[in-house]
Amino acid sequence: QSVLTQPPSVSGAPGQRVTISCTGSSSNIGAGYDVHWYQQLPGTAPKLLIYGNSNRPSGVPDRFSGSKSGTSASLAITGLQAEDEADYYCQSYDSSLSAHYVFGTGTKVTVL
Amino acid sequence: QVQLVQSGAEVKKPGASVKVSCKASGYTFTTYGISWVRQAPGQGLEWMGWISAYNGNTNFAQKLQGRVTMTTDTSTSTAYMELRSLRSDDTAVYYCARSVELLPPYFDSWGQGTLVTVSS
Repeated sequence: QSVLTQPPSVSGAPGQRVTISCTGSSSNIGAGYDVHWYQQLPGTAPKLLIYGNSNRPSGVPDRFSGSKSGTSASLAITGLQAEDEADYYCQSYDSSLSAHYVFGTGTKVTVL
Repeated sequence: QVQLVQSGAEVKKPGASVKVSCKASGYTFTTYGISWVRQAPGQGLEWMGWISAYNGNTNFAQKLQGRVTMTTDTSTSTAYMELRSLRSDDTAVYYCARSVELLPPYFDSWGQGTLVTVSS
């Protein structure tokens, strides 16, 4: 089980805003380590969505935004679209783990 | 454009080894690291380890220490991941990803994935 906990699923109607939380602790997010986010469409490789807590790579729509506060981080999707239906993972570093680089448990976003 | 192309699917028996390749193009291979990430069927992502394409330094997840080897061939811009003593729970899709070195690094380009099935 990952040290970064995400809700298993979130859903919203087209056009709505949804948020995905990534809850950690004082040995990872709370220690100041950056959080990155990935989108994984069904049957495909993950794709970088947000890096360094809130930065979007070129080509990622500004409907996606990231933030971090305390021991948690969040990914927000505004103006939800059908093509946003996917799994989303946060990623950070944990100083208490030998694995060091850890992914969150993953969240399935469903567009109603 | 940056591309990572992985070798094809493998079926192995328990106890065997598998070696997956990842050929990079579209950038200077030695200026980035390569991480390997795996995903068991229906499960989440698991970071396996990292190799510097510049000097070959490696860093592995503790649970895989002793069973995994990562190497690079700079002449062909190819990274390799070998996993030994395969078990059924090693059945997964294995991805290589280009690592941008922050703390933690982030993975900005991914291979298409290689399905490794371990079955007797």
